[in-house]
This record gives sequence, C-alpha cells and structure tokens, in this order.
Amino acid sequence: EVQLVESGGGLVQPGGSLRLSCAVSGFTFSNYWMHWIRQAPGKGLEWVSSIRGAGTTTIYADSAKGRFTVSRDNPKNTLYLQMSSLRAEDTAVYFCVREVCTNEVCKLFDYWGQGTLVTVSS
Amino acid sequence: DVVMTQTPLSSPVTLGQPASISCRSSQGLVENDGNTYMNWLQQRPGQPPRLLIYKVSTRLSGVPDRFSGGGAGTEFTLKISRVEAEDVGVYYCMQATHFPYTFGQGTKLEI
Repeated sequence: EVQLVESGGGLVQPGGSLRLSCAVSGFTFSNYWMHWIRQAPGKGLEWVSSIRGAGTTTIYADSAKGRFTVSRDNPKNTLYLQMSSLRAEDTAVYFCVREVCTNEVCKLFDYWGQGTLVTVSS
Repeated sequence: DVVMTQTPLSSPVTLGQPASISCRSSQGLVENDGNTYMNWLQQRPGQPPRLLIYKVSTRLSGVPDRFSGGGAGTEFTLKISRVEAEDVGVYYCMQATHFPYTFGQGTKLEI
C-alpha cells in the first residue's frame, strides 16, 4: 500500500526556519518525481517545489526560490523541504505528492499525503 | 504564469442531477510531447486533494464513471452525470504543462 506521511510542521516565528519531512512506503521511491503543494487555511492550492527521482533536478515556485530547498534521501525513502526566512504568507498545510511518469503516462499526481500544518506567527 | 479560471465558484446541486464545472486557461496546455496535462482534483471536507482525472479526460483507476472530463485548447470541463452525496467538496482544475504548475480557485459543490 502506498503511503505518504508528512511531519515537521508547527508554529514558527517570522524569519525562522523549519524542515518538513515526508516518509513514503509501498513503492520504489527513487523512481518517482515528488512535489510539495501547499494550501493556506481556507484557500486554494499552490505548487511549491518538485524534485526528480534521482534528486538531480529541483524546481521552485517564485515564492519559494532562495528560501526553500527540496531534497530527498532515497535509501531512507524520505522527501524533505527545508524552509527558511519564513513569512506569515507561508502559513499553510503542506502536502507531499507523488507523480507517476512512465513511458505510457506522465504528470499523474496519484498519491497525496495528509499534509502538515505550518503556522508562521509571532 | 498560466492562470486557471474556474466557473462557477459555488454550485448548489440536487442529488441525482448533473453538475458541470468549467476551467479556462490563459494559455494553451499542449506540451511538446503532444499531451495536454490538464487535471481535475476533488477535495472532500477535511481531506487532502484526490486526483480524479488527468490528461483532460482519463479517469484515475477507481474513480466512478459518473465523472468525465473534456475540452481542448484553453477550455475544459468536468461533468458529474448524477451527483451523489459523497461528491460534496471542492473541485480544482490544475495544469501541469507549464511551470509553475497552477490551479483554479476551486468550485464548491454543495447539496
């Protein structure tokens, strides 16, 4: 069974840092692109960052560039999002999402974690 | 960035009746590989989003066939042939052709 379990959220002051983790199981982690997508309370969805299966390619939304770093530890089956210089507008539930990309189909965002809440406030 | 505009933003529906949600993209969504990476997601209250449809019209395995997606170019539609109580929630369109990936504002489906 595929599982994605985020952790690491919490309350942090503006300007602070936080590292989110997403522990996965039930599939060969290194074969999949992974993404972080967030949702501010009561708001819509915003793509934040993506990372290739081997970790060799990372992509960021403008809102995350220079402040967030996505990484992965494939032997540990874990995805990370290191967030620094946090702002109030970063307050959101952060979801990790798996993307299927094969010869037959790509950009299929088939599994989403339950999310972890990050609150940036003084 | 590609702007995704959904209509309506709220849709009162009657059980057993059809429902339809539209999504317009500010740019075409055909990628160099010829595919159109237009997705529809459902978010039930208190739950993470769930992918329903990808590449405009392909239902993910396990998604009821009362859900259908269509469209081309910059105009796309999600249709529910007969709304059931479990369909209550917010529906999002999402384009995954151009970075940054972007979402519609969401359409709240309520009975």
